Amino acid sequence: GENVEQHPSTLSVQEGDSAVIKCTYSDSASNYFPWYKQELGKRPQLIIDIRSNVGEKKDQRIAVTLNKTAKHFSLHITETQPEDSAVYFCAASSMNRDDKIIFGKGTRLHILP
Amino acid sequence: SAVISQKPSRDICQRGTSLTIQCQVDSQVTMMFWYRQQPGQSLTLIATANQGSEATYESGFVIDKFPISRPNLTFSTLTVSNMSPEDSSIYLCSGRDQETQYFGPGTRLLVL
Repeated sequence: GENVEQHPSTLSVQEGDSAVIKCTYSDSASNYFPWYKQELGKRPQLIIDIRSNVGEKKDQRIAVTLNKTAKHFSLHITETQPEDSAVYFCAASSMNRDDKIIFGKGTRLHILP
Repeated sequence: SAVISQKPSRDICQRGTSLTIQCQVDSQVTMMFWYRQQPGQSLTLIATANQGSEATYESGFVIDKFPISRPNLTFSTLTVSNMSPEDSSIYLCSGRDQETQYFGPGTRLLVL
């Protein structure tokens, strides 16, 4: 089955700087890679996703890149703000197979004032 | 987008008892799932809830412990049976439409 590794587990960045979270996956059949943000006591919320036919996707301050050959994908947050502090989860899924989304272990992002 | 609600939002239960969690989606979704999340940890998939048939369980989860129903496209239940303190966790319902997977707010369960 799919295995998703996520690094780092904790990340602290100065407000205004960029944050990068990296993930790898094991199943070459995976073709859908969402990223979720979870604030304390809240449900996970989808912030951006990318499909295997695309190498990069951007939405305002958030971007995701995908390298299918290396089975790597990354989340980039630019100009970080205090409200970006949360736990971020990467995930992988094969939309054509069983549709299960398998999550990484999460990255706790702290934005320092 | 789909909005997912769960009942109860939290509960405290005695060991040996069972609790049924209800999940309601405000629109039809193709897939529904149940996850477990320990405090400070990631989401672990328990099972895929299949409409009108038995759920598909992940390794380490069995139907006798976590019976699941999905009578229609917008509703599912998860029962945590014969509870022990190790079952204390947050249980999240999730639904997927054509494009996106959404999560319910979770049910916070404490077993004494």
